[in-house]
Order: sequence, then C-alpha cells, then structure tokens
Amino acid sequence: EAGVAQSPRYKIIEKRQSVAFWCNPISGHATLYWYQQILGQGPKLLIQFQNNGVVDDSQLPKDRFSAERLKGVDSTLKIQPAKLEDSAVYLCASSHYRGPNSPLHFGNGTRLTVT
Amino acid sequence: EDKVVQSPLSLVVHEGDTVTLNCSYEVTNFRSLLWYKQEKKAPTFLFMLTSSGIEKKSGRLSSILDKKELFSILNITATQTGDSAVYLCAVYSNYQLIWGAGTKLIIKP
Repeated sequence: EAGVAQSPRYKIIEKRQSVAFWCNPISGHATLYWYQQILGQGPKLLIQFQNNGVVDDSQLPKDRFSAERLKGVDSTLKIQPAKLEDSAVYLCASSHYRGPNSPLHFGNGTRLTVT
Repeated sequence: EDKVVQSPLSLVVHEGDTVTLNCSYEVTNFRSLLWYKQEKKAPTFLFMLTSSGIEKKSGRLSSILDKKELFSILNITATQTGDSAVYLCAVYSNYQLIWGAGTKLIIKP
C-alpha cells in the first residue's frame, strides 16, 4: 500500500511570510493528524481530523495556523504569518480509525526553516 | 498531567552490542503503548503493546510492557549501524497520544 505523501520536503521562508503544506493519507484511513516536531522533542499534535471533521485542535495556534481536510482525503496546513519559533518538522500521519488500537503511519515530513 | 519519559536521552554503543531503551509513563487511562523508529524525519511504526508480560518481537527487536510498574522496554540485540535512529515511545490515554522525547541511539562500527 502507498504510504502517506507530503510536500514539499523542505521550505525556507522569512518571518511574516506564509507557507502551506500538503498531505495525502493512506487510502481508506479515516483519521489524519498534523504534528509539529521541534529538534530534540517528541511530536506535538496540532490538529486531528476524523474524515473531514476536526476532533482535536486544542494545541493549534489558531491566530496563525489553519488546516482543512476537504472531502475527507487530502489535507493542507497553513501558517500565516510565520514566526521564527515555527521552525520545525511538520509531520502528517494517518490511521485506519481514531483510537488506541490503530497505529499512526507517518509521512516523510516537511522541514520548515523561518529566517 | 499525563506524561511519558524515555531514558536514556542518548546512547552510543558499538556494533554487535545489545541495548535496552526504557519508557515509563503516568497517564490517567492507559489504552496502549507504541514504539516508533525515527530516522531523518519520518517515524516508522515498530510495536503496539496493550497487555503486560507479552513480548512482541520482530527480528532483532523486541518489546515488553509492565502495566503494574508502568513502563516498557525496547531491546535491540546484535546492533547494526542501520539501527542508529531516535526511538520514540507514545502512550494512548483515552483518545490522546502522549509522546516521549525519544532516545537517540548511535551505533559505532
């Protein structure tokens, strides 16, 4: 089965600019996650979708971050405007369903550098 | 507050050695524990553990869970340079996945 696809692989932007990331989950996976991972730390959940509905966005900085999952398949994550502290790897993951018995499968991530 | 703590934070061993990585947790409602290997950027799934005392094994890697003492270990025998990575532990508490900071493992040839 094809894995989780993410693009771009790398992005360098200046602070106050905007950026968007794209994710295509594994076919048939209902749950999609966006994580932020800062070097030396574990992944931090930004937002979780069940089909095209948001089930958890409690840690998403909503003043600058937004995400959508139209038609319950692809998803985009946007940052506008970017800050220096947004430099991190952004990981997209998907699972068959939401719950403790459904492991997450991750994409290759996007490394964002904000200068 | 739910938390997952991994130890050691980093480890350097020689090829052929055996290593044991630790993951301890304090969560309100344990459901499962997962181990991932992260090389470069993408974490790849290794094991999911839900029951105490039942060893999961895949090649040279094995893992076991102790729900009484609230920890899990990941063993890697006869290590190879390709085992160099960050190993992440995560625990499901209710529908939340709580992540540890990872153990960075370096295998020297």
